[in-house]
Amino acid sequence: SAVISQKPSRDICQRGTSLTIQCQVDSQVTMMFWYRQQPGQSLTLIATANQGSEATYESGFVIDKFPISRPNLTFSTLTVSNMSPEDSSIYLCSVGDGTYEQYFGPGTRLTVT
Amino acid sequence: QKEVEQNSGPLSVPEGAIASLNCTYSDRGSQSFFWYRQYSGKSPELIMFIYSNGDKEDGRFTAQLNKASQYVSLLIRDSQPSDSATYLCAVNPGGTSYGKLTFGQGTILTVHP
Repeated sequence: SAVISQKPSRDICQRGTSLTIQCQVDSQVTMMFWYRQQPGQSLTLIATANQGSEATYESGFVIDKFPISRPNLTFSTLTVSNMSPEDSSIYLCSVGDGTYEQYFGPGTRLTVT
Repeated sequence: QKEVEQNSGPLSVPEGAIASLNCTYSDRGSQSFFWYRQYSGKSPELIMFIYSNGDKEDGRFTAQLNKASQYVSLLIRDSQPSDSATYLCAVNPGGTSYGKLTFGQGTILTVHP
């Protein structure tokens, strides 16, 4: 399976600021996704990162709050904008190569104070 | 109605026993089904996926799928304390939503010596 890295691994941010999370894969992948895992909860899909075009967002998530870039087949970024304490979560990228299998990065633990 | 439902547990089994984890889903058109294991503070790790009715075995793990009943399960034979984790059931609706995963809330499994 692909090796996935995320930066930063964790951060503590003040409300009103923005944080950009990077996801890097060691091989080209067809699909990249961004998920959120709120404290004590399961995973919720934020959006599909599309290479060379705008991301596809799930219901309840908007581009102004979670802008996403995917400039190539191995890299994507998720920005959490104008943060509030409710944005405190673990943010995970996942990748798939077009088969059934999908793998997760190590996650970014975000705390907003 | 939740799209993917799991018993939150905790499920406690003695070492060496069989642990049975269950999941039901609401979208009858769903095409593939996944079991992830998540240790505390870690990202989800893919254990198995299944897309055809019946059983699929991999080592100590067996996934069972019954599309008519909209039911998928995971059996862990010879449970070990290292199997103690949260087990997440995920469903891929397929079609235009191929690759997107909807997760259940997870079942906490504890294997005691």
